[in-house]
Amino acid sequence: NAGVMQNPRHLVRRRGQEARLRCSPMKGHSHVYWYRQLPEEGLKFMVYLQKENIIDESGMPKERFSAEFPKEGPSILRIQQVVRGDSAAYFCASSPVGSEQYFGPGTRLTVT
Amino acid sequence: GQQLNQSPQSMFIQEGEDVSMNCTSSSIFNTWLWYKQDPGEGPVLLIALYKAGELTSNGRLTAQFGITRKDSFLNISASIPSDVGIYFCAGQPAYNDYKLSFGAGTTVTVRA
Repeated sequence: NAGVMQNPRHLVRRRGQEARLRCSPMKGHSHVYWYRQLPEEGLKFMVYLQKENIIDESGMPKERFSAEFPKEGPSILRIQQVVRGDSAAYFCASSPVGSEQYFGPGTRLTVT
Repeated sequence: GQQLNQSPQSMFIQEGEDVSMNCTSSSIFNTWLWYKQDPGEGPVLLIALYKAGELTSNGRLTAQFGITRKDSFLNISASIPSDVGIYFCAGQPAYNDYKLSFGAGTTVTVRA
């Protein structure tokens, strides 16, 4: 059973460009979560999605950030007009209903 | 999210020693989780705890869910070099199931 897949693993963007991060949950998992990790810190919750629904986006900045989990295909975290402060590791997790969250390997975003 | 205080921040240990780390919160949690993160990877779930007072083992790892529901500890017995990494506690609050709050991590380095 494949784990949570994320791509790309590393992404470099110039200031002002867009970043798209993809996450494919584990087979059978219908819940997806995105977290951000700054260097030497714990993970911070951003958004929780189910298929075609955003359940809770309270941890996601209101400007420039958006997330989706379409009926078909991976979940996407999109960051528009990136700034240096967006540089971080972004992790996706998935779970079945009401169960433990399993994390992907992360996407390391560097904004130059 | 809730603030979790994890200690110690880092530790150097001799191979074969036992290791102990803990996590405290000002709020109660429904679930405590312990993850290990290797450099460049995502967190891997080690142990999940669901009931106050619960003591759970996974190989050389033992974790407990505190009676007050505001703390948890993780023990590693007879440490080996592959125990190197960053250990994170995470809690799921009682009022919503999905939003994990993470501690800042305990970095473990083993001296051979």
